[in-house]
Amino acid sequence: DGGITQSPKYLFRKEGQNVTLSCEQNLNHDAMYWYRQDPGQGLRLIYYSQIVNDFQKGDIAEGYSVSREKKESFPLTVTSAQKNPTAFYLCASSGVASGGAYEQYFGPGTRLTVT
Amino acid sequence: GDSVTQMEGPVTLSEEAFLTINCTYTATGYPSLFWYVQYPGEGLQLLLKATKADDKGSNKGFEATYRKETTSFHLEKGSVQVSDSAVYFCALLGSNYQLIWGAGTKLIIKP
Repeated sequence: DGGITQSPKYLFRKEGQNVTLSCEQNLNHDAMYWYRQDPGQGLRLIYYSQIVNDFQKGDIAEGYSVSREKKESFPLTVTSAQKNPTAFYLCASSGVASGGAYEQYFGPGTRLTVT
Repeated sequence: GDSVTQMEGPVTLSEEAFLTINCTYTATGYPSLFWYVQYPGEGLQLLLKATKADDKGSNKGFEATYRKETTSFHLEKGSVQVSDSAVYFCALLGSNYQLIWGAGTKLIIKP
């Protein structure tokens, strides 16, 4: 049963602590993405990776870090430098689909609350 | 640069009404176009897609036609149900294989 898993679904942290969000995919996709979504808002790209051991900053990378040591995994660390970390975080992956559409597939998301 | 514009929500309809959510885009060439749906508290699901001009994507009673003349990809459904209440996102595949997202349109269906 192929898909993307994110854990945990809900995460609570104290201000000043780093926290790492997990994202794993078994779709054999080369590319993976992290998005942030705030209430009533659209998606904003944090980081993306098109191949193992390589990643690029998205539109709002400040205060976040990632690694891509394995094709299946793309963890996101929310550091204490991120000023407003409370949000819904979505991980996605994409590969070459039939017709070359490159659609993205999403995980269920992690809701992070920092107090 | 590439961009996607969606109609602002929320869109509120009664059950069995006809739905249209407008989406227009600006892009170089003819990019692949997508509609995604997000139910409350969940991730996004691909609803339908079209990869070239005049293609019609369809799924679960929803349809959208890729219109290059009007640079549009409007989402339609003939008879909505309460279970269709969600946020709908229009997106295009940019030149660097990244998705360019619209702001999302919240749909509320009343029984």
